[in-house]
Amino acid sequence: EAGVAQSPRYKIIEKRQSVAFWCNPISGHATLYWYQQILGQGPKLLIQFQNNGVVDDSQLPKDRFSAERLKGVDSTLKIQPAKLEDSAVYLCASSFGGLAGFMREQYFGPGTRLTVT
Amino acid sequence: SQQGEEDPQALSIQEGENATMNCSYKTSINNLQWYRQNSGRGLVHLILIRSNEREKHSGRLRVTLDTSKKSSSLLITASQAADTASYFCAALTSAAGNKLTFGGGTRVLVKP
Repeated sequence: EAGVAQSPRYKIIEKRQSVAFWCNPISGHATLYWYQQILGQGPKLLIQFQNNGVVDDSQLPKDRFSAERLKGVDSTLKIQPAKLEDSAVYLCASSFGGLAGFMREQYFGPGTRLTVT
Repeated sequence: SQQGEEDPQALSIQEGENATMNCSYKTSINNLQWYRQNSGRGLVHLILIRSNEREKHSGRLRVTLDTSKKSSSLLITASQAADTASYFCAALTSAAGNKLTFGGGTRVLVKP
């Protein structure tokens, strides 16, 4: 079974530039998550999708971050404009859907390491 | 704010020894999950324990949950060099909108 795919793996940009990350979840997983992991810390949830609908985006800095999952499969996360404090690893995860899907274990991709200079 | 807080922050042991790490959380949980993260790799799910369970085993892993103390522990028995990683507990709570809230992790070094 293929795992969660993410690209790119690494990205270096200057502050005020924009960047986009892509994620393809495990086939059949209805729930998709984006996390931000700052060095030395645990992951922090940015946004959660159930199919193509947003379930939770309470911790997403909406003035600069946006995410979409138009067809309920793959997803993109965008930052525009980037700040120095956005330097982190951005992890995508997915889990089985359904009413209790959010209670299941999550499967993570390898992440995208973003460096903002 | 973080739900899960791990203790210790770092742990160094010899191969073959056991490693124990603890996690505390703040509010009632639906379940508590443990994940491992190797250097340069994504997070891998290890084990999930529900709020009505007290102990769970998976291979060399043993997880306990004490809801009265709002704490959990992860024991790795007979550690191997491949167990070198960061270990995170993550609490799933209704109070947090049914999302996983991760702790800061315990960095484990297993020396050969």
